[in-house]
Amino acid sequence: GQNIDQPTEMTATEGAIVQINCTYQTSGFNGLFWYQQHAGEAPTFLSYNVLDGLEEKGRFSSFLSRSKGYSYLLLKELQMKDSASYLCARFSDYKLSFGAGTTVTVRA
Amino acid sequence: DADVTQTPRNRITKTGKRIMLECSQTKGHDRMYWYRQDPGLGLRLIYYSFDVKDINKGEISDGYSVSRQAQAKFSLSLESAIPNQTALYFCATSDPDIPGVSNQPQHFGDGTRLSIL
Repeated sequence: GQNIDQPTEMTATEGAIVQINCTYQTSGFNGLFWYQQHAGEAPTFLSYNVLDGLEEKGRFSSFLSRSKGYSYLLLKELQMKDSASYLCARFSDYKLSFGAGTTVTVRA
Repeated sequence: DADVTQTPRNRITKTGKRIMLECSQTKGHDRMYWYRQDPGLGLRLIYYSFDVKDINKGEISDGYSVSRQAQAKFSLSLESAIPNQTALYFCATSDPDIPGVSNQPQHFGDGTRLSIL
């Protein structure tokens, strides 16, 4: 919904880096959230960007370009437990609109 | 103990039945939300409430109703269930946003898996 696009699936090797891109509609934009969701579990908050630039939190970083309607989530030093779905969510008009999610599979 | 609790966790029922999904929270948040999640479609907002006297329709409210019984309780009802309402349902809560400063993340319950035959 809300024209939020992210890749459906990505696969990477343990210890590697993966970048998940997200593009979104810029009108009415007020912030960009990333959530992690393991299969059958609740989404959990990872990061939030409202200004342009990079926010770093340990192995996870998130970047935002407001003018381009673009964000990415960077996962470094991948671990097997990082295998999950990653949800990009646009905040506008006091509500979140979610992308369909990117399923990341980490292989040994 | 979970901060956002949903009951039941799983439910199988028949077409035409009335169903209520319940959500309670101990986080003290004013805002509560109901979403459904379908494969390939992501989370979609059904209803949301910013306080006890505030109820708002989301993206896909048709066929659903809600009740905010207290700050801590927000229930979702399917008045006459139909098979295409089979989905994973999530309740979420959040603090009010801080204007000009930040938007508050939402915290999700563990979900209710609902199957309508």
